[in-house]
Amino acid sequence: NAGVMQNPRHLVRRRGQEARLRCSPMKGHSHVYWYRQLPEEGLKFMVYLQKENIIDESGMPKERFSAEFPKEGPSILRIQQVVRGDSAAYFCASSPSRSGDTQYFGPGTRLTVL
Amino acid sequence: AQRVTQPEKLLSVFKGAPVELKCNYSYSGSPELFWYVQYSRQRLQLLLRHISRESIKGFTADLNKGETSFHLKKPFAQEEDSAMYYCALSAGGYNKLIFGAGTRLAVHP
Repeated sequence: NAGVMQNPRHLVRRRGQEARLRCSPMKGHSHVYWYRQLPEEGLKFMVYLQKENIIDESGMPKERFSAEFPKEGPSILRIQQVVRGDSAAYFCASSPSRSGDTQYFGPGTRLTVL
Repeated sequence: AQRVTQPEKLLSVFKGAPVELKCNYSYSGSPELFWYVQYSRQRLQLLLRHISRESIKGFTADLNKGETSFHLKKPFAQEEDSAMYYCALSAGGYNKLIFGAGTRLAVHP
């Protein structure tokens, strides 16, 4: 099992462009979580998804950010019209079920907005 | 409000010294607490969780509901323990994790 995969590992965008971050959960995992880590801070929860459903997006900014986890393929975190404040490390985690299970983290995507 | 506080950004000790990384939490329900560790150039990984009551790599952590703390301890630090340590609280019934800001542990020879 290759573990949680995220790509790209590093992403550079200019202000106003779109950023698309991908997360492939571990095999057999149907629950995906996205977290954001700003410099000098801990990870902050953004969104929790199951296949084809957003369960909790309470940590995600209302504008410009969206997430999906389609039936086939990876989960995508999309940031439209990026601004410098979006520069951060974005981590994805997966677990096999809803509660009581360990979350396994990916290596993260470091987004830099110029 | 649900919150996890790690008051120390950096903890620097010598090899063989005892280590205690502090974690305090604020949560109205029955908490589930975790310690995650990130070694240099590696991904974040679970170190231990309070319901397991186990010792991993010589580390232990006891949940103290009276003091709302979940401090991580190890009697004799090793150089390979140098890493970033995050305390986290599970909230919402589906493993949504709330993280502290992290403490960097540096163990010197």
